[in-house]
Amino acid sequence: DAGVTQTPRHEVAEKGQTIILKCEPVSGHNDLFWYRQTKIQGLELLSYFRSKSLMEDGGAFKDRFKAEMLNSSFSTLKIQPTEPKDSAVYLCASSRDRVNERLFFGHGTKLSVL
Amino acid sequence: GQGVEQPDNLMSVEGTFARVNCTYSTSGFNGLSWYQQREGHVPVFLSYVVLDGLKDSGHFSTFLSRSNGYSYLLLTELQIKDSASYLCAVDMGYKLTFGTGTSLLVDP
Repeated sequence: DAGVTQTPRHEVAEKGQTIILKCEPVSGHNDLFWYRQTKIQGLELLSYFRSKSLMEDGGAFKDRFKAEMLNSSFSTLKIQPTEPKDSAVYLCASSRDRVNERLFFGHGTKLSVL
Repeated sequence: GQGVEQPDNLMSVEGTFARVNCTYSTSGFNGLSWYQQREGHVPVFLSYVVLDGLKDSGHFSTFLSRSNGYSYLLLTELQIKDSASYLCAVDMGYKLTFGTGTSLLVDP
């Protein structure tokens, strides 16, 4: 059962480092989302791709967060430079289309920035 | 979540019911989804609603009032394992905005 795959599961970074998170969506899905989840803010949208085209770049997250989708089966999220406030769980999700909005989430990457 | 509001906490008793409320800004509304998230796990899709009224899906039912910007998730015959966070997510065109979730605690 090939769901959404995210790597790594855990990442520890020093302040100022560059980190790259990876995501493989469900095969055949056209939409891919990157979210950040914290207890206080909940799920915040970072990026949204439709058929590899960037549709939403997350507004306030633009300056240090960059998501790319080089092909339909692989996406990366780069955070550069990292700050302690970036500590959160980063979730990648995909969906077949936007008709019913059923998102399938990966297990997430837990990022800790020291 | 910006423009999507949910109460933080809700408590109920095993065998009874719980209603999780969600209010949202009606501008650009396309549809609304409900997700369940257990502690330490990722959100899992429950239901999607776009039409007004009650949608009965057994253990989980949903209600939507588009003109009032209001939805609720109704859980009946509660079990302890229903204790989780319930998130509503509003599709406002190119953007799926989540509420911060309601943490439901089901007591024995």
